[in-house]
Amino acid sequence: SQTIHQWPATLVQPVGSPLSLECTVEGTSNPNLYWYRQAAGRGLQLLFYSVGIGQISSEVPQNLSASRPQDRQFILSSKKLLLSDSGFYLCAWSTGQGTPTNEKLFFGSGTQLSVL
Amino acid sequence: QQQVKQSPQSLIVQKGGISIINCAYENTAFDYFPWYQQFPGKGPALLIAIRPDVSEKKEGRFTISFNKSAKQFSLHIMDSQPGDSATYFCAALMNSGYSTLTFGKGTMLLVSP
Repeated sequence: SQTIHQWPATLVQPVGSPLSLECTVEGTSNPNLYWYRQAAGRGLQLLFYSVGIGQISSEVPQNLSASRPQDRQFILSSKKLLLSDSGFYLCAWSTGQGTPTNEKLFFGSGTQLSVL
Repeated sequence: QQQVKQSPQSLIVQKGGISIINCAYENTAFDYFPWYQQFPGKGPALLIAIRPDVSEKKEGRFTISFNKSAKQFSLHIMDSQPGDSATYFCAALMNSGYSTLTFGKGTMLLVSP
């Protein structure tokens, strides 16, 4: 069966510090991978998605970047965190087939990031 | 531009009552409409989904009603239970080319005992 691992569960970082959140998927190959951010009252905001190794599409220009160094690994990064980067970050995957068109998203358990 | 509008933002229902959450969309190219359920501190999980070729889909106590002409769809939770207390997101997807889910802003449901 497929599983998605996301860590850490919580993170407190000072403003200006770097960020690295990691997500891995097991039990499937060539998945589409996604990073979402959830802020109170703003729903689920798609940040990045990837249909393959090294292929990253950005939905929202911001202080964050994403990388996919391996087929089932997705990393969210920042060089210098801002207060506005605080939020609940969710990694998700769906079946691939070469396009991000998907019908079912499987979410990780999320990382609560607090930037102070 | 928000393409899926969800209401209400929050909802309190007594145990045994019916919870109703509404969504409206603008893009007629959407052809898949899922609902996700999220418990506090967890990631969302797919609850139920519908395509526009049917007007209703029921799974247990959960029913989606779909009105294609009005571009609206809703989630009904019958016999609501305290364990249903969660945030619910509607979403929409264009199933062609490069497309990702567009989510509503979510509804926080509290079912009182």
